[in-house]
Amino acid sequence: EVQLVESGGGLVQPGGSLRLSCAASGFTFSSYWIHWVRQAPGKGLVWVSRINPDGSDTTYADSVKGRFTISRDNAKNTLYLQMNSLRVEDTAVYYCTRDYSGYFQHWGQGTLLIVSP
Amino acid sequence: DVVMTQSPLSLPVTLGQPASISCRSSQSLVHSDGNTYLNWFQQRPGQSPRRLIYKFSDRDSGVPDRFSGSGSGTDFTLKISRVEAEDVGVYYCMQGTHWPPTFGQGTKVEVQ
Repeated sequence: EVQLVESGGGLVQPGGSLRLSCAASGFTFSSYWIHWVRQAPGKGLVWVSRINPDGSDTTYADSVKGRFTISRDNAKNTLYLQMNSLRVEDTAVYYCTRDYSGYFQHWGQGTLLIVSP
Repeated sequence: DVVMTQSPLSLPVTLGQPASISCRSSQSLVHSDGNTYLNWFQQRPGQSPRRLIYKFSDRDSGVPDRFSGSGSGTDFTLKISRVEAEDVGVYYCMQGTHWPPTFGQGTKVEVQ
């Protein structure tokens, strides 16, 4: 069974940093594109970042470019999102999601980031 | 970015009756490879999103056949043939034809 389990969320002050993790199991992690998608409280879904199977190709939404870094450790079957210079508007549940037959077939349960003074 | 517009934003439904959600894109979603990358997602209260439909009409594994997707170009529809209580939640369309992928605002389906 495909499983994606996010962790690392919490409360951070504006300007702070945090690293999210997504532990994968049940599939060959190193073969798939993986994304981060976020959802602000009571709001819709927004794509944040993606990484290719070997980690050599990364892309970011304009809203996080230069502040967030996506990476992966295929030996540990884990995806990361390093978030720096956090803003109040980054407050959201962050989901990792895997592609198959198109975008976002499988989703994790999400981890909540709150950026507040 | 491609703008995805859903209607209605709130959909009161009657159990056992059909329901329909519309999704319009600001550009055609026909890719140069001939495919149309339009997905539908369901998000039940307190849960993660779940993909129901990909390539505008293909149903994901395990999705009940009461869910169907149709449309072309810029106009797409998600239909539920007979609404069940477990179908309550928010439904999102999403396009993957143009970069970056973008979602509709969501349609809240609730039992009236």
